[in-house]
Amino acid sequence: QLQLQESGPGLVKPSETLSLTCTVSGGSIRSNYYWGWIRQPPGKGLEYIGSVYYSGSTYYNPSLKRRVTILVDTSKNQFSLRLSSVTAADTAVYYCARLDVDTAMVTSDIWGQGTLVTVSP
Amino acid sequence: QSALTQPASVSGSPGQSITISCTGTSNDIGRYNFVSWYQQHPGKAPKLMIKDVTNRPSGVSNRFSGSKSGNTASLTISGLQAEDEADYYCNSYTSTFTVVFGGGTKLTVL
Repeated sequence: QLQLQESGPGLVKPSETLSLTCTVSGGSIRSNYYWGWIRQPPGKGLEYIGSVYYSGSTYYNPSLKRRVTILVDTSKNQFSLRLSSVTAADTAVYYCARLDVDTAMVTSDIWGQGTLVTVSP
Repeated sequence: QSALTQPASVSGSPGQSITISCTGTSNDIGRYNFVSWYQQHPGKAPKLMIKDVTNRPSGVSNRFSGSKSGNTASLTISGLQAEDEADYYCNSYTSTFTVVFGGGTKLTVL
């Protein structure tokens, strides 16, 4: 069945750029779904970051839009997240997920296991 | 966009029913039927339990049901089981074309 797996550095320095990749296995990223990123600071709730369609169409959380870029690589069946100018407030578990196409951001039926990214000097 | 309001905690005994509320505004829950509910066990990824206010994805127990009245959505769990103990989050589409989450509710099975 379809599986998602996040990968990337677990430690990022303040002011630098956080980069994560999500690999889709067991199915094609070229399907009628959006592919997105959701994060969860330790002990806190969920926050939508953004999502991308295989065509490259994107949606971003307005509060993060200035710092976020989400790209898709259909040849590798992957999509990626770049978050620039990070601070300690960006420390969180980052999940990649598959999202229903109706809104591209509400219904996530398949999730990766999540990866903790810590922002620290 | 303010977060949706959920009770911080609810509890119930095995076999009982509990309801978790999720209160928004006329610009999110009150306007759209795009409300989802997620269950999250400690250290695990969230799991989709309800989509589009009332729809249960394949594989989710029929003990879980969703509803909406006005600006408030609700998740009801009937026949409470120990394995239901988890955090629950709601979310909704909004009139500013984004999504807002609730702060989460910790369910304790006594």
